[in-house]
Amino acid sequence: DGGITQSPKYLFRKEGQNVTLSCEQNLNHDAMYWYRQDPGQGLRLIYYSQIVNDFQKGDIAEGYSVSREKKESFPLTVTSAQKNPTAFYLCASSIGFKNEQYFGPGTRLTVT
Amino acid sequence: GDSVTQMEGPVTLSEEAFLTINCTYTATGYPSLFWYVQYPGEGLQLLLKATKADDKGSNKGFEATYRKETTSFHLEKGSVQVSDSAVYFCALSAGTGGYNKLIFGAGTRLAVHP
Repeated sequence: DGGITQSPKYLFRKEGQNVTLSCEQNLNHDAMYWYRQDPGQGLRLIYYSQIVNDFQKGDIAEGYSVSREKKESFPLTVTSAQKNPTAFYLCASSIGFKNEQYFGPGTRLTVT
Repeated sequence: GDSVTQMEGPVTLSEEAFLTINCTYTATGYPSLFWYVQYPGEGLQLLLKATKADDKGSNKGFEATYRKETTSFHLEKGSVQVSDSAVYFCALSAGTGGYNKLIFGAGTRLAVHP
């Protein structure tokens, strides 16, 4: 079945450590996105990518980094520079930018 | 700038009750409109969409009509079930050029009791 996978579902890290969240899609979508969701709030865009080897900052990119070396993969690194990293992280993809986005199951990151 | 405003939750209903979740938007141009649903601990699922004025999106008994004159996209369902308990997000996709940003409302939590 086609879809988006994110791993792991739960992730725990100590403050000061970098951590990388995985996102893989087999939908053959060109565009991929990373969002952050905090309790009781909507989604905020961190980074997005139109094509391989290209990505752009979203609304809250500070303290995060991404890469897009393959069409299927768009990993997100949460660096130690991110002040409040504990959140639910969602990856999404779309055929093109004017189309609806499809979401993965999310990764809940807890930093203590 | 572009924005989406949803009614605050939680919305609490008995099974088989009628559901309305209000959504209004502000956007330049002609946005596409979406409703997404999020079940506890999961990602978002696309529920329905509408791409132009007067379009009606529908899925699984849910409906929403794109009303340009009132800049609204209210979600409705005639008879809710316990399994409909979730958080519902209204969103718009708008912009010019190559990238259409998806802008979300804050979400409305729905709790349906037997």
